Amino acid sequence: QVQLVQSGAEVKKPGASVKVSCKASGYTFTGYYMHWVRQAPGQGLEWMGRINPNSGGTNYAQKFQGRVTMTRDTSISTAYMELSRLRSDDTVVYYCARAPAGIYAPEGEANYGMDVWGQGTTVTVSS
Amino acid sequence: SYVLTQPPSVSVAPGKTARITCGGNNIGSKSVHWYQQKPGQAPVLVVYDDSDRPSGIPERFSGSNSGNTATLTISRVEAGDEADYYCQVWDSSSDHPGVFGGGTKLTVL
Repeated sequence: QVQLVQSGAEVKKPGASVKVSCKASGYTFTGYYMHWVRQAPGQGLEWMGRINPNSGGTNYAQKFQGRVTMTRDTSISTAYMELSRLRSDDTVVYYCARAPAGIYAPEGEANYGMDVWGQGTTVTVSS
Repeated sequence: SYVLTQPPSVSVAPGKTARITCGGNNIGSKSVHWYQQKPGQAPVLVVYDDSDRPSGIPERFSGSNSGNTATLTISRVEAGDEADYYCQVWDSSSDHPGVFGGGTKLTVL
C-alpha cells in the first residue's frame, strides 16, 4: 500500500540542525511532489516547501529561506528535510505529504491536494 | 502572499449538517482542498479540487467554491467527525505556493 514513513523523534540544542527523512513506498516516487508541513503544539498547519523528486527542484516558503534544505535520494525513494539554526519555536511536528506532479496530475497540479501523509516527526529544541 | 480565513470553531448537533467556510480573495478561481485532522493524528485529505472526494471518504463530505468563499459541508454529522478542518490552495502565482487556512475546530454537541 501507499505510505510515507518518517524518521523518529529528535531532540536538538538551539543553533543545531535536524534532518528528517520520509521514505515512500507503494507508488512511483518521482511522480509526486514531496511537501513538508509543520505544526506547532495547538496550532495550525504551516507549509514549509516542496521538492520535485524527479528533477530535484525545490520551492521554499519565504519564512524558511536560508534555513531549510530539501533533498531526495531516488534510489531509496526517500525525501529529506534539513532545518538549520534551530530555535525553540522550531519545536513542532514535521510532516511529509505527497501531491501529484506532471503527468500524474492530468487535471493540473493545482487541482490535487496532498493525499498521503507521513506519521509526523516531533522535533524538540531545548538547551 | 495569499490569505485564507476560516472561523475558529463550528458546533453542530449529531445528524445535522455542518458547514465550514474558507474565505479568500477570488477563491472561486482557485482549486480548494480540505483536510481533516483528529488529535494526535496526521491530516487526511477529505475533499480536493473544490468538490471531489478521495476514495474511502464518505459521501457525507462535500465541497463548493464560488466568489470569495469555499465551503466544506458535512451532512448527517457523526461524533467521529469531530476534528480540526483546514482548507488549502496552491497559489501558483507565488513562490510560496502552499497556503493553509487557520483551521476550524468542529465540535459535535
